[in-house]
Amino acid sequence: RKEVEQDPGPFNVPEGATVAFNCTYSNSASQSFFWYRQDCRKEPKLLMSVYSSGNEDGRFTAQLNRASQYISLLIRDSKLSDSATYLCVVNKDGNKLVFGAGTILRVKS
Amino acid sequence: DTGVSQDPRHKITKRGQNVTFRCDPISEHNRLYWYRQTLGQGPEFLTYFQNEAQLEKSRLLSDRFSAERPKGSFSTLEIQRTEQGDSAMYLCASSLSWRGEQYFGPGTRLTVT
Repeated sequence: RKEVEQDPGPFNVPEGATVAFNCTYSNSASQSFFWYRQDCRKEPKLLMSVYSSGNEDGRFTAQLNRASQYISLLIRDSKLSDSATYLCVVNKDGNKLVFGAGTILRVKS
Repeated sequence: DTGVSQDPRHKITKRGQNVTFRCDPISEHNRLYWYRQTLGQGPEFLTYFQNEAQLEKSRLLSDRFSAERPKGSFSTLEIQRTEQGDSAMYLCASSLSWRGEQYFGPGTRLTVT
C-alpha cells in the first residue's frame, strides 16, 4: 500500500465548477500536511498547508481529518489556469515529504 | 530571483558516464533536500542536509549516488556509472526549519541513452 494515495483522475470540469480532491495517508504519526500544484514538466509549487481546523485561501479550502487519515482540497469557481496536477503531501517525521502520485485537473471552457 | 536554483536544467548522457548536478537553496534556508521524480509519479525523497550535515539517505540512493553540501550553502548530487533507469527529473528543495514548508527548484531533467 502506498503511503499517500490519491485518485489519479483526470477530473474534467467546466469553468466555474466546484471540484474536490481527496487523499488518504497511512502513517498516523504524520506531522504536517500540504497540497502542492505541479504544471506539466515544471517543479511542484506549494499551494497551501493543511491544518486540523481546516483552512481557506481564496477559492481553495483544505481539510484534514486525523482520525480518518484523510485530507481534502476543494476548489471553487474553477479557472482555466487551475488545470494542473495536484499533489497531496505528508511530512511524516518532520523531515522528508512523501508525495501522492497526483490528481490531474483539466478545466475546460 | 531569490528562489531555489538548479543547474543544469537538462542533461543528456550516455550510459556509464558520470554526471553532477548543482542546487543553490534559498539563502536563509538551512535545510536542503533532493528528490527524484519519474513520469506519472510524485517526487520521491533521496536525501537531505541540515547545514553541511547529511542526515538521512533513502534506500533509493544506491552507492552510485553521492551528495554533498560542503559549506552548508549549495549542494551537488553526483551519479556515477549512469544507467537508463536513472533517467528522471532531479528536484532540489529547501526549507527554513524542520516541518517547514519546502520550496522546490526547477529541477534537472536527466536522460540516459
